[in-house]
Amino acid sequence: GQQLNQSPQSMFIQEGEDVSMNCTSSSIFNTWLWYKQDPGEGPVLLIALYKAGELTSNGRLTAQFGITRKDSFLNISASIPSDVGIYFCAGGPYTGANSKLTFGKGITLSVRP
Amino acid sequence: EAGVTQFPSHSVIEKGQTVTLRCDPISGHDNLYWYRRVMGKEIKFLLHFVKESKQDESGMPNNRFLAERTGGTYSTLKVQPAELEDSGVYFCASSTDRGNEQFFGPGTRLTVL
Repeated sequence: GQQLNQSPQSMFIQEGEDVSMNCTSSSIFNTWLWYKQDPGEGPVLLIALYKAGELTSNGRLTAQFGITRKDSFLNISASIPSDVGIYFCAGGPYTGANSKLTFGKGITLSVRP
Repeated sequence: EAGVTQFPSHSVIEKGQTVTLRCDPISGHDNLYWYRRVMGKEIKFLLHFVKESKQDESGMPNNRFLAERTGGTYSTLKVQPAELEDSGVYFCASSTDRGNEQFFGPGTRLTVL
């Protein structure tokens, strides 16, 4: 089946640093989404991308939909302690149509004050 | 606007028992999804409802799992009889009929002993 690869499993950064996370796949996805999960909560949608090459920002977050449609990255700039959590990428097979999402295993981000 | 809600937040049952999980989607969202995350693994798709109809149930693991969405509002996911490998966090998500931005509930943590 389709898989999304996120690595490393954990990242440790200093407060104020920027961090970049990649998500890759051997299959094409036509929608890419990034979610963040805090302990005891459900995943919260950060950014949704619908077009190959699209670059979208949401505050200190920037995400890009790879031109090959097989990858995406998420950038967090000037990290703060509340950025701690698990970051998941997710891919959907269609553009703009409701369908199941395939998730990566997630990257646990720790931010040292 | 209220988000996706799930009940219960935790459930501990013994192998062979029955458990029913409930999800209330965001009001007006026709699309409702069930996902599951087993410890250390990725979030995996189980099933997708459009209103009261099952659009895609390709992720349902076996016939011990039964999902319903009578009336196209809330949904239930019943596991009968539960097995040890059913332990995990069950997430529900909902979306409008435009785009594929899925909003997740807090999850139900199911432990089968």
